[in-house]
Amino acid sequence: QKEVEQNSGPLSVPEGAIASLNCTYSDRGSQSFFWYRQYSGKSPELIMFIYSNGDKEDGRFTAQLNKASQYVSLLIRDSQPSDSATYLCAVIYYGGSQGNLIFGKGTKLSVKP
Amino acid sequence: GAGVSQSPSNKVTEKGKDVELRCDPISGHTALYWYRQSLGQGLEFLIYFQGNSAPDKSGLPSDRFSAERTGGSVSTLTIQRTQQEDSAVYLCASSLGGFGNQPQHFGDGTRLSIL
Repeated sequence: QKEVEQNSGPLSVPEGAIASLNCTYSDRGSQSFFWYRQYSGKSPELIMFIYSNGDKEDGRFTAQLNKASQYVSLLIRDSQPSDSATYLCAVIYYGGSQGNLIFGKGTKLSVKP
Repeated sequence: GAGVSQSPSNKVTEKGKDVELRCDPISGHTALYWYRQSLGQGLEFLIYFQGNSAPDKSGLPSDRFSAERTGGSVSTLTIQRTQQEDSAVYLCASSLGGFGNQPQHFGDGTRLSIL
């Protein structure tokens, strides 16, 4: 059973702080990792993707991947109330001839003004 | 440019009726995916189309669910003899390539309510 685990939260941080969202996955063979943001009642929106160990930065967002420990994280610097949403971690597992994208259940983030 | 388009945005129907949900992917995207998201839950993979290959139906929950993709573009998800547990948001996504290193772009979803 391929699994992607996230703390459901809610994670509450004050405006301007760093929000740290974590995700663990069960299959060492996974190679592609995605973070999606989903506002209440809306569809998921891609925020970041990362394939290699280490950090990948894009504006206020940094994705961190550690394949040895099988976790991927998302850091949001200078958090804003508009960042309040559910963040979904997704991992591609390869089996047979094609892959499958497995989503975690998401972490709800609340940024307090 | 246009994103993934889904219709209808909302659908309310009686238990036992059939429903059809439509997805129009981003132009040029060869891969198309259907997911289901129940209230407060994560995304549940349903079916995946890649080009002209046979679809991966491994996520379909029962034989009441089927999907087709005509001409490698528009897709229709059909649910026959709907049940109350089918109530959910049905999301469609497309990507440039198949499951791999290509991010998926989602439509706004169809909110399906079975009375």
